[in-house]
Amino acid sequence: GAVVSQHPSWVICKSGTSVKIECRSLDFQATTMFWYRQFPKQSLMLMATSNEGSKATYEQGVEKDKFLINHASLTLSTLTVTSAHPEDSSFYICSARAGLNTEAFFGQGTRLTVV
Amino acid sequence: GENVEQHPSTLSVQEGDSAVIKCTYSDSASNYFPWYKQELGKRPQLIIDIRSNVGEKKDQRIAVTLNKTAKHFSLHITETQPEDSAVYFCAARSNDYKLSFGAGTTVTVRA
Repeated sequence: GAVVSQHPSWVICKSGTSVKIECRSLDFQATTMFWYRQFPKQSLMLMATSNEGSKATYEQGVEKDKFLINHASLTLSTLTVTSAHPEDSSFYICSARAGLNTEAFFGQGTRLTVV
Repeated sequence: GENVEQHPSTLSVQEGDSAVIKCTYSDSASNYFPWYKQELGKRPQLIIDIRSNVGEKKDQRIAVTLNKTAKHFSLHITETQPEDSAVYFCAARSNDYKLSFGAGTTVTVRA
């Protein structure tokens, strides 16, 4: 399958600081990227959908000013967690797909710990 | 939006036995149903998927069945092995092309 790379794999940051997570499709052009959050022993919860060149669409309850998403190119989307707090500690996973009816491939995830 | 329910939440089987996980979905417009295996701290891996125009699909020890009328689909793993131990998620994709995931099933295969 196609390769989606997420960076960093883990990050520890201080409360109040911002953290940027990158999601790259390495061997295909991703028209759409999705960002998920997964708390321990829970399912993947969709946070937002980003399409290249347009504003991200956020799911209900997800603060767009806190979770800034940029999809500047067909191979890169970034998620910035602004003013992070301990409750933002979670596993953040992106996925990318080439077209509407194609399989979405997952990045390896980023373990964020806010101290 | 789509709502996917998954049962059971945990499943313990003896090596060599079969494991069955069941999911139901709410949106009759959903037309794509993937199953993912996730090991601790890793990304979900697609293990099998089925589209709404098919009732059953098999890949070696793994099979998925879909009942569109009842809006449920199931994962069957036969001849389970210790390396099958993981968390399994079902998902459904509806007209908005977003995946909605079930809550997950932790499968433990006892040697």
